[in-house]
Amino acid sequence: GQQLNQSPQSMFIQEGEDVSMNCTSSSIFNTWLWYKQDPGEGPVLLIALYKAGELTSNGRLTAQFGITRKDSFLNISASIPSDVGIYFCAGPGKADSWGKLQFGAGTQVVVTP
Amino acid sequence: NAGVTQTPKFRILKIGQSMTLQCTQDMNHNYMYWYRQDPGMGLKLIYYSVGAGITDKGEVPNGYNVSRSTTEDFPLRLELAAPSQTSVYFCASSSGPNTEAFFGQGTRLTVV
Repeated sequence: GQQLNQSPQSMFIQEGEDVSMNCTSSSIFNTWLWYKQDPGEGPVLLIALYKAGELTSNGRLTAQFGITRKDSFLNISASIPSDVGIYFCAGPGKADSWGKLQFGAGTQVVVTP
Repeated sequence: NAGVTQTPKFRILKIGQSMTLQCTQDMNHNYMYWYRQDPGMGLKLIYYSVGAGITDKGEVPNGYNVSRSTTEDFPLRLELAAPSQTSVYFCASSSGPNTEAFFGQGTRLTVV
């Protein structure tokens, strides 16, 4: 089956720094989704990408759908303490696996003052 | 707004016991999913459903069963609990394969 590889696994950054993480897939994606999970909660959608090359922002977050359709990037600018959490990429993969919304392993972000 | 509701929130099972994790959503979503999340890991898809009466296996279906008799409910059944099933279980729903999935708050299950 398809594989999602997310990196880095964890990041320890200082408040105010920028954060970048990425996700690659073994197969073509038609949608890329980025989620954030706070401790003890379920994941919540941050950004959805639907077209190759698309660049979408949500406040200090910016995500891009790679032109190969096999990768995506998430950037967080000027990090603040509430950015702490686990960030996941996800996608339904190719057309013959619609419904199989699958997740990367996550990037743990820790922000220190 | 209830969204996706999971019960129970916590449960301790003995090896060999069975239980059903309940999940219900009030958004009239066709797609529903069950994931498990082990400590420090991502979410692994156990089963999913694209509509009432239709279910299919995800990445890690062994040891679990599901049913989808209504649009609202998608229970997950563990028949013979094993320590390897200790995990946090999340149910989610979405209106389609490319749209946002909404998650429940999770069920923390420990098998001893």
